[in-house]
Amino acid sequence: QVQLVQSGTEVKKPGASVKVSCKSSGYTFTTYTMHWLRQAPGQRLEWMGWINPGNGNTKDSQKFQDRVTMTRDTSASTAYMELSSLRSEDTAVYYCAREVDRVGRYFDFWGQGTLVTVSS
Amino acid sequence: DIQMTQSPSSLSASVGDRVTITCRASQNIGSYLNWYQQKPGTAPVLLIYAASTLQSGVPSRFSGSASGTEFTLTISSLQPEDFATYSCQQSYSTPRTFGQGTKVDIK
Repeated sequence: QVQLVQSGTEVKKPGASVKVSCKSSGYTFTTYTMHWLRQAPGQRLEWMGWINPGNGNTKDSQKFQDRVTMTRDTSASTAYMELSSLRSEDTAVYYCAREVDRVGRYFDFWGQGTLVTVSS
Repeated sequence: DIQMTQSPSSLSASVGDRVTITCRASQNIGSYLNWYQQKPGTAPVLLIYAASTLQSGVPSRFSGSASGTEFTLTISSLQPEDFATYSCQQSYSTPRTFGQGTKVDIK
């Protein structure tokens, strides 16, 4: 069965960086793009970017202006998202989600979420 | 960016009620519209993809439809486990964008 398991809760100070991992199992890791999204308290889901685990290509949202870095380790079937220069507005639950691109494009499996709190 | 606007933002309903939620895209997105259910403290769960295709394992009381840039999620007979927040999402282009969510609670 497909599973995406994310790393645990993080508490960071403003200006620091955070790196969240997303370990995949139950399917061929390189077959599907992995997306990163976040949800701040009481807010709608926000898309951050994607990585193609097969070739390492990435595309991120202009909103994050080079603060986000997405990487992967194919030998460990794990995707990573690093967000730098953290500010209080980055406090949110961060999700990885696998996107299927077949009939339509949709996120069929999600990680359990990683709470990142940015506070001085 | 494509803006997704849902209505209503919240609604109160009873078990057995028919519930309809609407999502409007700011431009043409074809059928690249998905619906998710989310309960507090958990990740979203895919219900409907490509505007009207039911995801495997999702009860048939959920259905989706489309008319131009307006999309509808219908729950034909609300069940206790359906009290949750529902969000639409366009996958026509990046950035992928979501509606603000519709919270369905108990009347």
